[in-house]
Amino acid sequence: GAVVSQHPSWVICKSGTSVKIECRSLDFQATTMFWYRQFPKQSLMLMATSNEGSKATYEQGVEKDKFLINHASLTLSTLTVTSAHPEDSSFYICSASLGGGGYTFGSGTRLTVV
Amino acid sequence: ELKVEQNPLFLSMQEGKNYTIYCNYSTTSDRLYWYRQDPGKSLESLFVLLSNGAVKQEGRLMASLDTKARLSTLHITAAVHDLSATYFCAVDGKSGNTPLVFGKGTRLSVIA
Repeated sequence: GAVVSQHPSWVICKSGTSVKIECRSLDFQATTMFWYRQFPKQSLMLMATSNEGSKATYEQGVEKDKFLINHASLTLSTLTVTSAHPEDSSFYICSASLGGGGYTFGSGTRLTVV
Repeated sequence: ELKVEQNPLFLSMQEGKNYTIYCNYSTTSDRLYWYRQDPGKSLESLFVLLSNGAVKQEGRLMASLDTKARLSTLHITAAVHDLSATYFCAVDGKSGNTPLVFGKGTRLSVIA
């Protein structure tokens, strides 16, 4: 089946540094990738939608200059958390639409900012 | 704006008992998804319900969809400890390449 590989699985970084999260579609072309954030014991909240070759669309309240999304190819989308702060600590999950009523999810990235 | 409401949000069940989780959504959609999430993990797809009246079963879990009532149910039969997890329902806004909107999730704990 369609697989999205997400890396890293977890990362710890210092405040003020940047962290890049990658999602690769392994056996299909992901025209669109969705990025979600999940705080402990909460649901998934959509951060942004990225389309290959164009600018991402951010949800209200998500800082586009802080959460940089790049979708330069049909198999790779990246989320960079810039100047990370402790409040950015969260579980980040990418998801690709498969068309015809299906979605596949990455394995998630646990970000801890210290 | 599409809204998805799940209830209950917390559920403690005894092993062997049956229970149902409900998922209501606010706008017309023919596609409803159920996922399981274990602590620290991503989502595991359980069911995709694509039409009114759809019913799917896998082991002790059965999901159904009533698009007219905008309601889906996830029924648990004879619960076992391994079913302890958080269950999410989700709806996509319309046909096409749109993101899923998730309910708040139901944290299920199955106790002996």
